[in-house]
Amino acid sequence: EAGVTQSPRYAVLQEGQAVSFWCDPISGHDTLYWYQQPRDQGPQLLVYFRDEAVIDNSQLPSDRFSAVRPKGTNSTLKIQSAKQGDTATYLCASRKGLGGGQNTLYFGAGTRLSVL
Amino acid sequence: GEQVEQLPSILRVQEGSSASINCSYEDSASNYFPWYKQEPGENPKLIIDIRSNMERKQIQELIVLLDKKAKRFSLHITDTQPGDSAMYFCAASPIPGNTGKLIFGLGTTLQVQP
Repeated sequence: EAGVTQSPRYAVLQEGQAVSFWCDPISGHDTLYWYQQPRDQGPQLLVYFRDEAVIDNSQLPSDRFSAVRPKGTNSTLKIQSAKQGDTATYLCASRKGLGGGQNTLYFGAGTRLSVL
Repeated sequence: GEQVEQLPSILRVQEGSSASINCSYEDSASNYFPWYKQEPGENPKLIIDIRSNMERKQIQELIVLLDKKAKRFSLHITDTQPGDSAMYFCAASPIPGNTGKLIFGLGTTLQVQP
């Protein structure tokens, strides 16, 4: 079974530039998450979807960040105008169903973003 | 009411001894508590989890304890080995039922010294 696939693996930007991250979840996983993980810290939830619907995006900086999952499969996270504080690893994760403790959350390898 | 606190941030132990990591949560309705291990340059991987209807769970050298009254849970690694060196994260689901939200602690760097 293929795992969660993310691309690119690395991105280096100047402040003000835009970047998009792409995620392909495990086949059959209807719930997809985007987490931001600053260096040496825990993953911080940005947004998550059930199928194509956003369930919670309350932690997504809406002025510069956006996330879509138009067909309920792949997802794209975009930063419109990157800031140095956005430097982090962006992790995509997926699970089957909403969990309730029964379904494991699987993480992708992440995209490591550096904003200079 | 959705924060998860995790301590210590760094833990150094001798090979063969035990290591303990403690977490606390705010929302008393939280019902699911997984633990993830992350090695350098790798993605976090689930190592053990516990649900709110249990107080203790063990998988080989990993033991998880849950105290719902105190809103605390902990991971204990017995007989640590150098391969246990990694970053460990606890997490909690702050809302009951199948909402899918999972909040992580800040992590503990475990260093097992030979």
